[in-house]
Formats: sequence, structure tokens, C-alpha cells
Amino acid sequence: DADVTQTPRNRITKTGKRIMLECSQTKGHDRMYWYRQDPGLGLRLIYYSFDVKDINKGEISDGYSVSRQAQAKFSLSLESAIPNQTALYFCATSAVAASTDTQYFGPGTRLTVL
Amino acid sequence: EDQVTQSPEALRLQEGESSSLNCSYTVSGLRGLFWYRQDPGKGPEFLFTLYSAGEEKEKERLKATLTKKESFLHITAPKPEDSATYLCALSSGSARQLTFGSGTQLTVLP
Repeated sequence: DADVTQTPRNRITKTGKRIMLECSQTKGHDRMYWYRQDPGLGLRLIYYSFDVKDINKGEISDGYSVSRQAQAKFSLSLESAIPNQTALYFCATSAVAASTDTQYFGPGTRLTVL
Repeated sequence: EDQVTQSPEALRLQEGESSSLNCSYTVSGLRGLFWYRQDPGKGPEFLFTLYSAGEEKEKERLKATLTKKESFLHITAPKPEDSATYLCALSSGSARQLTFGSGTQLTVLP
């Protein structure tokens, strides 16, 4: 089984709808991240969480919200989806260990907003 | 502000034709320089972390090197299955977040 899973893998929705993307991990990592990826723009950080009680905005948090339900679960919500939120969304995790910041990524969710 | 620039944007090689991908960076207090491989429609797959100038790491046909201003991913005798987008990222300071480059799309032709 994959260490980092994302659901759904694909989603098509309409402008104005509320959408939730979910991420679960079995790696035992405390830190979790949400990124979006657009062609030519690379990976951009939306939100990150260092533990259940710690949520931080990333580079592009406007229009998004998150919930850290447990150490292993981190959800991303689009309260009112708009077409320019069409992108690939990735969840990632990393360990607290001081020696490395390596992040491990899930398989992604392809979101299309019509 | 941390910055990561990858070049070239795209690279086409014949099978067996060795080459290098470049990742240049500006950072205040480098904690780590990361290389990932990403196949179309999939999540980035971790390859290497480099921590200090002069460090080198190898995995099969790939070797990553690091200087104070740039990192190279050397691909020796590539095969078609090495075709992917290769991403470079760095972490710095206390925030310990990753800043990504936009990637190099590598195509290896049989």
C-alpha cells in the first residue's frame, strides 16, 4: 500500500461548488503539506501543518482552507471553486527529524473546475 | 528570497547519450538541495538530498553534485525509461519548507 494516499484522484466540478480533497499517510510523519502544480509554474505551497494544532499559510493560500483531523490526515477545501483553481494538487509529508527536510509526495488529484 | 532556476526547460537525448541538468540557486542558509523525478500525472518521487558543497550522490545512471551556487544531475548512458521531468528544490532557514524549480523535461529516444 502507498505511504501517502489522496482522494479523489480525479474530480470535475462547477464554478461555485465546495470541494474537499483528502490526504492520508502511514509514514508516521508529523508534517504535512498541500501543493498545486500548474504547467510551467512548478510546485507552489498552499498550506502546511507541523502538527495537529499547527496550521500555516503558504505562498498561495487565498481561496483555500485546510483541516488537520489527525496526525495522519490533512484535508484541503475549496470553499467556492473557480476555473483558475484547475490544477494538479499534491499532498506531501516529512519527518520532524532535524537532519532532513525531505518530503514524500502522494499520487495527486487532478481537479478541473468548469 | 530563495530562488531556484532549472535549465534547460526541455532536453531530448538519444539512448546512451550522456548529459547534465542544471539547477542554480540563491539562498540564505542552505539546509538541503533535493532532486525529484516526476512522471506525467504522478507525484514527485524523491531521488537525492545534498547538504554541502562538494557532496555527490549516485543512483543507477544518475549522479547529483552540489556547489555553492548550483547543482547538477548527471545522466550517464540514459535509457528511454529515464524520460521524466526532473525537479530541483531547496530548503533553508527555520521554516524548513521546500522551494521548487519549474523542472527539466527529459525525453530519451530509443
